[in-house]
Amino acid sequence: DGGITQSPKYLFRKEGQNVTLSCEQNLNHDAMYWYRQDPGQGLRLIYYSQIVNDFQKGDIAEGYSVSREKKESFPLTVTSAQKNPTAFYLCASSTLELFGNTEAFFGQGTRLTVV
Amino acid sequence: ELKVEQNPLFLSMQEGKNYTIYCNYSTTSDRLYWYRQDPGKSLESLFVLLSNGAVKQEGRLMASLDTKARLSTLHITAAVHDLSATYFCAVDMSDDGGYNKLIFGAGTRLAVHP
Repeated sequence: DGGITQSPKYLFRKEGQNVTLSCEQNLNHDAMYWYRQDPGQGLRLIYYSQIVNDFQKGDIAEGYSVSREKKESFPLTVTSAQKNPTAFYLCASSTLELFGNTEAFFGQGTRLTVV
Repeated sequence: ELKVEQNPLFLSMQEGKNYTIYCNYSTTSDRLYWYRQDPGKSLESLFVLLSNGAVKQEGRLMASLDTKARLSTLHITAAVHDLSATYFCAVDMSDDGGYNKLIFGAGTRLAVHP
């Protein structure tokens, strides 16, 4: 089935540790996005990408890094520079076409907790 | 600045009543999305609106788009408890470099009670 898959579902990070969240899609979408959601809050954009080997910083990119080596994959690394990483992380993908199937789909999310 | 504003942020509705959620955005856009989020879950796509005057309906929810006013509405008809959730609008906008970014409103937390 076509879709977008995030893993793991739950992740625990020790202080000072880097962790990587996986996001894979088989929808042939060009655009991919990472968002952070804090409890009771909206979605804030971390990074986004439209093509392979190119990505842009969103509103809260500090302490995060991404790569886009393949069209279907957009992993997010939460570095030790991110002082408050506990949050729900959501990955999304969408087509850049203006017609046809234009939906933006979300993965199931990764809940990251610092221990 | 690229901004998406939703109101109200909180909405407590009685079952059977009607209400409208508003979504204003600050720049031209090709697409506007409405999503639903249940507690602890990811986002579920409800509607994609592509052009001025677009109207889409699914069950008790109807979404519309006025690109000239940069306004979308999500209308709830005869609310039922199952509609209790948080509703987000999101707008596909171009940044200064011409790259598309998907910007979300703060969400409207809807509670439907007897």
